[in-house]
Amino acid sequence: DAKTTQPNSMESNEEEPVHLPCNHSTISGTDYIHWYRQLPSQGPEYVIHGLTSNVNNRMASLAIAEDRKSSTLILHRATLRDAAVYYCILRDGGAQKLVFGQGTRLTINP
Amino acid sequence: DVKVTQSSRYLVKRTGEKVFLECVQDMDHENMFWYRQDPGLGLRLIYFSYDVKMKEKGDIPEGYSVSREKKERFSLILESASTNQTSMYLCASSLLEGAYNEQFFGPGTRLTVL
Repeated sequence: DAKTTQPNSMESNEEEPVHLPCNHSTISGTDYIHWYRQLPSQGPEYVIHGLTSNVNNRMASLAIAEDRKSSTLILHRATLRDAAVYYCILRDGGAQKLVFGQGTRLTINP
Repeated sequence: DVKVTQSSRYLVKRTGEKVFLECVQDMDHENMFWYRQDPGLGLRLIYFSYDVKMKEKGDIPEGYSVSREKKERFSLILESASTNQTSMYLCASSLLEGAYNEQFFGPGTRLTVL
């Protein structure tokens, strides 16, 4: 499985945008980029995914570099509820399983 | 509202006991997964199943077995629990088709083996 690299932790303020980076220099052409997050004392939950183009949904936006070797999860206006560990995961198009790394622990200050 | 439920949030067992962790999903998903989560090691896949009575080993299957007799239920079995199996256990499910089908996770079972 191709590897991703994320900062261990980040901190931001409530109601400000947050940009969470992920490097995946060994990504293959069939790898999708997935983001999950894990709130305290809960199981992970899906946030967003993409292949080549930038993606938006109600939770976040995903910006993918043109060479696909990096991506950024964007929370447009962070709330306290967004404090969580965010995982960037590469998933081959034919694979069923997810391989979780260490993720980024995001702290939101009031 | 879609749901994955796990039989217990907290469980305490003794070394050598047989332990059953149950997971039920109500989304008619083909795939079901068992992970364990440990500090510093992240989530690691133990077993998964893509159909009734089918199973595939994940990254750390040693010391575990699984059972899937019905589509909605996936059980993780510790035949003889050991202290190094103290962990948070997470169950998940997803549709079979499509590479981007999201996995839905349960709340987890924190197992302590004494």
